[in-house]
Amino acid sequence: GQNIDQPTEMTATEGAIVQINCTYQTSGFNGLFWYQQHAGEAPTFLSYNVLDGLEEKGRFSSFLSRSKGYSYLLLKELQMKDSASYLCAVRAPNDYKLSFGAGTTVTVRA
Amino acid sequence: GAVVSQHPSRVICKSGTSVKIECRSLDFQATTMFWYRQFPKKSLMLMATSNEGSKATYEQGVEKDKFLINHASLTLSTLTVTSAHPEDSSFYICSARDAASGGETQYFGPGTRLLVL
Repeated sequence: GQNIDQPTEMTATEGAIVQINCTYQTSGFNGLFWYQQHAGEAPTFLSYNVLDGLEEKGRFSSFLSRSKGYSYLLLKELQMKDSASYLCAVRAPNDYKLSFGAGTTVTVRA
Repeated sequence: GAVVSQHPSRVICKSGTSVKIECRSLDFQATTMFWYRQFPKKSLMLMATSNEGSKATYEQGVEKDKFLINHASLTLSTLTVTSAHPEDSSFYICSARDAASGGETQYFGPGTRLLVL
């Protein structure tokens, strides 16, 4: 089975940094994705990690430790438009299926 | 990035009618598309995997006769909600895998909000 955990909500101030953690226990692993989803819209791709380490992409970075079943998404220099739900998803081997966590709602305050 | 469209974006129907939702990959070929549903403030739940030229594979608990999936071409998959009932009201999202690029990423459509009265 798939068990993917992430915090329900986080609040941060504009310009600050927020780290969203994701832990997973899955029957197989072939990569971890982070998606951003604004209310009423479809998810948009942020990052993909399949090997251990940190992937940096502008203000967003994602980290993976396969041995610990752990990932985090780091959002730097927060902007109001970053207020959204952030979804952690693990891909199963062989069939490309994604299992999603429940999502973390990030609220950025002025 | 790759673009996936869905039509319609929003639909309201009467209980007992059937509703067809289209998912198209606009600038790439998608041998595999996925259909999800999402309830308010909940995460995406995979319903089925749509394979071009073959039958869809459904997740446990999803009725295949209720949610008919057809993937007739490399750019189009359709989901038909048959005999819709109010409990089928949800946000339905498709995603497509770009096989030519190595297929590492799924690109999501904008979603279809279904309301069954």
